[in-house]
Amino acid sequence: EPEVTQTPSHQVTQMGQEVILRCVPISNHLYFYWYRQILGQKVEFLVSFYNNEISEKSEIFDDQFSVERPDGSNFTLKIRSTKLEDSAMYFCASSDQGPEETQYFGPGTRLLVL
Amino acid sequence: DAKTTQPTSMDCAEGRAANLPCNHSTISGNEYVYWYRQIHSQGPQYIIHGLKNNETNEMASLIITEDRKSSTLILPHATLRDTAVYYCIVNFGNEKLTFGTGTRLTIIP
Repeated sequence: EPEVTQTPSHQVTQMGQEVILRCVPISNHLYFYWYRQILGQKVEFLVSFYNNEISEKSEIFDDQFSVERPDGSNFTLKIRSTKLEDSAMYFCASSDQGPEETQYFGPGTRLLVL
Repeated sequence: DAKTTQPTSMDCAEGRAANLPCNHSTISGNEYVYWYRQIHSQGPQYIIHGLKNNETNEMASLIITEDRKSSTLILPHATLRDTAVYYCIVNFGNEKLTFGTGTRLTIIP
């Protein structure tokens, strides 16, 4: 069964450093998403991406964040200068196009900013 | 904010059916009801979705009331591995998913 994969599973970084989180969506999907979950809190939407551009972003997704689909298979989230409060689980999701297309989530990357 | 209301927590005996309710009184005509679950801090796992008819798959059944203002997710024979947080989400198309706090379901041996 096709699945969304994410790398790395864990990432530890120093405050102010750049991190890139990687995702391989399900191969025929057209919509891509990033969500995050701070420990003990709700899953929060960050950004959606379609047709090589951002289709929607939340207020969390400020100038420190960027997304890219550098090739036909990867979808990345870059945090330019990490802050302590960026520590969270980051989940990638993908879906096909349509009125009832399900979003399928990856296992997540646990980011710890020290 | 999430457009659904769910109980904070529920317990269910192993082997029994777990019935998880959800209220979505402001659902619009083209929105679907989705159920996901999250085990520990793993990625949310899709369970089932429906528009107005009842649905069943290998994991669960979804019962949607005729007025579509509420629904119930049924896990027919709960196992310990079904212990998780269950989220009821209304959504249309490829819009962002808005997660609430969900229902923490604990399966009791």
